[in-house]
Amino acid sequence: GDSVTQMEGPVTLSEEAFLTINCTYTATGYPSLFWYVQYPGEGLQLLLKATKADDKGSNKGFEATYRKETTSFHLEKGSVQVSDSAVYFCALSKNTGNQFYFGTGTSLTVIP
Amino acid sequence: DAGVIQSPRHEVTEMGQEVTLRCKPISGHDYLFWYRQTMMRGLELLIYFNNNVPIDDSGMPEDRFSAKMPNASFSTLKIQPSEPRDSAVYFCASSSRTDRTEAFFGQGTRLTVV
Repeated sequence: GDSVTQMEGPVTLSEEAFLTINCTYTATGYPSLFWYVQYPGEGLQLLLKATKADDKGSNKGFEATYRKETTSFHLEKGSVQVSDSAVYFCALSKNTGNQFYFGTGTSLTVIP
Repeated sequence: DAGVIQSPRHEVTEMGQEVTLRCKPISGHDYLFWYRQTMMRGLELLIYFNNNVPIDDSGMPEDRFSAKMPNASFSTLKIQPSEPRDSAVYFCASSSRTDRTEAFFGQGTRLTVV
């Protein structure tokens, strides 16, 4: 069935370090791919998305490229800040049914 | 739009009591999802509706859980009787098929069953 596998955490980085959180997916057809972020005590917010192969989603300095050949959607940021500390979820959605499949989440802590 | 609105934000109840969680989706959205989040199991999809009709409730853990959507602007998730292992954060989300599938989440209800 359709699923998402993402890198387990927690991840701890120093401020201004480079961030990569790996995400791979299994799905038939052409899903849309998402990264959501959850700040402490809040709900999930959409960070970025890509709806077709080779699309790059970007927001707030974060980027992820939809790679169909490797079934991946890795999240990257060149220089993290303390305010980026949160839990990051990779997700996919099929165009039929609108059902979402979420990864287990990766907790990121950025220390000054 | 105010976004997805959930109530209450926090609920503490005693084991055996009935608990009702409420959700108001974004106006015009035709899909509504209920998720449960725990440290052990992460984010689990419990049930989702399309045009007020339950489509997939395979994630509902047991018969103590039930969900309804009487109209396009309101849904409830009920647990009766509640147990300590039901303690979790429950999220409601909504989406529109015409908007290429982005889901919008509420702020969640933190349920504690003592």
